[in-house]
Amino acid sequence: KAGVTQTPRYLIKTRGQQVTLSCSPISGHRSVSWYQQTPGQGLQFLFEYFSETQRNKGNFPGRFSGRQFSNSRSEMNVSTLELGDSALYLCASSLGTENSPLHFGNGTRLTVT
Amino acid sequence: SQKIEQNSEALNIQEGKTATLTCNYTNYSPAYLQWYRQDPGRGPVFLLLIRENEKEKRKERLKVTFDTTLKQSLFHITASQPADSATYLCALDITSGTYKYIFGTGTRLKVLA
Repeated sequence: KAGVTQTPRYLIKTRGQQVTLSCSPISGHRSVSWYQQTPGQGLQFLFEYFSETQRNKGNFPGRFSGRQFSNSRSEMNVSTLELGDSALYLCASSLGTENSPLHFGNGTRLTVT
Repeated sequence: SQKIEQNSEALNIQEGKTATLTCNYTNYSPAYLQWYRQDPGRGPVFLLLIRENEKEKRKERLKVTFDTTLKQSLFHITASQPADSATYLCALDITSGTYKYIFGTGTRLKVLA
């Protein structure tokens, strides 16, 4: 079974630009979650989508948004990039039921200059 | 607010010894707790899940305990090997609020040969 695929692997953007990250979950997984990982804050939950609906949301500004398609693939968008948005963005898929573990991709490393 | 603390940022131990990592949490009563392993440049990988009514869970050389009174989980790696060197993260399920999972900041384990 193929794992979670995130593209692109690396991105360099300039302040003020916007960026879209993509995530393909494990086949059969209907839940996709997004996390931001930085050295100082660790893994911070952004949001979770289940069957195309946002089911949970973390404490991030509205510049961070996402969506999920009917095939469970998900995209995350960050608008008006700030230097502080530089981070590793991780996507995780799961069955979306209670206790189901998260299966992470290897992330997209975003650098904002 | 929810808070998860993992003991020390880094832990060095000699090969063959037992590594013990700690996860303490406050202000919540999770239904279950998970442990993940993360290698540099890669996403976290699920290791073990323990439910609130389970005191202990084992998987090969790994053992997890969960004390809901102390609000603490201990993660043990017996007969540690250099290949066990990684960052270990604990995660709480928090489905009653806006978050799905909250992760600790992780403990970086280094097993010395």
